[in-house]
Amino acid sequence: DQQVKQNSPSLSVQEGRISILNCDYTNSMFDYFLWYKKYPAEGPTFLISISSIKDKNEDGRFTVFLNKSAKHLSLHIVPSQPGDSAVYFCAASPRTSSNTGKLIFGQGTTLQVKP
Amino acid sequence: KAGVTQTPRYLIKTRGQQVTLSCSPISGHRSVSWYQQTPGQGLQFLFEYFSETQRNKGNFPGRFSGRQFSNSRSEMNVSTLELGDSALYLCASSLAPGGYGTGELFFGEGSRLTVL
Repeated sequence: DQQVKQNSPSLSVQEGRISILNCDYTNSMFDYFLWYKKYPAEGPTFLISISSIKDKNEDGRFTVFLNKSAKHLSLHIVPSQPGDSAVYFCAASPRTSSNTGKLIFGQGTTLQVKP
Repeated sequence: KAGVTQTPRYLIKTRGQQVTLSCSPISGHRSVSWYQQTPGQGLQFLFEYFSETQRNKGNFPGRFSGRQFSNSRSEMNVSTLELGDSALYLCASSLAPGGYGTGELFFGEGSRLTVL
C-alpha cells in the first residue's frame, strides 16, 4: 500500500524553463511534506518542506505547493539548471509517528535538465 | 563539520550469511534512522534510535535489527540474507527524532549490499 506516490518516473526539461514534479498521497494524517534530492552515489539531501497547515513554501528557485483537498503536492523549480538533474523524492511525516525519523517516501522522479 | 559516515560503502554476501552495517551520525546528532532503498520502491523506513533506544520500527522481518551506542553511533544487522535484501541501506541522523518533527534528516551515502 503506497501512501505516497510519484507517478512520473522521469521528467526532462530545457535549461531555464520550469520543472514541475508531482506527488500524490492517500493518507490525510501527515504533519509535514518534504522533498529530497539525490545525486548518484550520494545520499538524499533535504531540499524543502511544507507544513500540512500551509499551502505554499518558497525557497529561492524552489517552491512547494500543497493542495490538501486533492491530496497533491508539487515542487516547482524556476529556472531549471543542469545541476538540478537528479532524482527527486517526495516524502511525508506521519502524524502517528511525529517526532520520529519515520518518513514515507515516494518512488522518486528522475529529472533531467538539458543545456 | 563531517557528515553522516556509513561503512562499508560496498559489500557482497551470499545467501544465508549475515551482515553488519555501521553509521556514524553528524557530531551532536543523537537520532539515527535507517532506510532501505530498492529500485522502484523508493526509501522504506527500517527503524530509528534515539539515546540508545529504538523509538520506531518499520514493517521488516525480525532478521533486520539494529542498535545504538552511547556515542550515538549505530549499527544494523541483517541475518540469514536473502536475494531480496540486495539494496542500498541509508542511514540518516538528526539532532532530535525526526528533526524535531519536521522530517528534516541528514543522510549518509549509503552501504550498497549485494546478495548472491
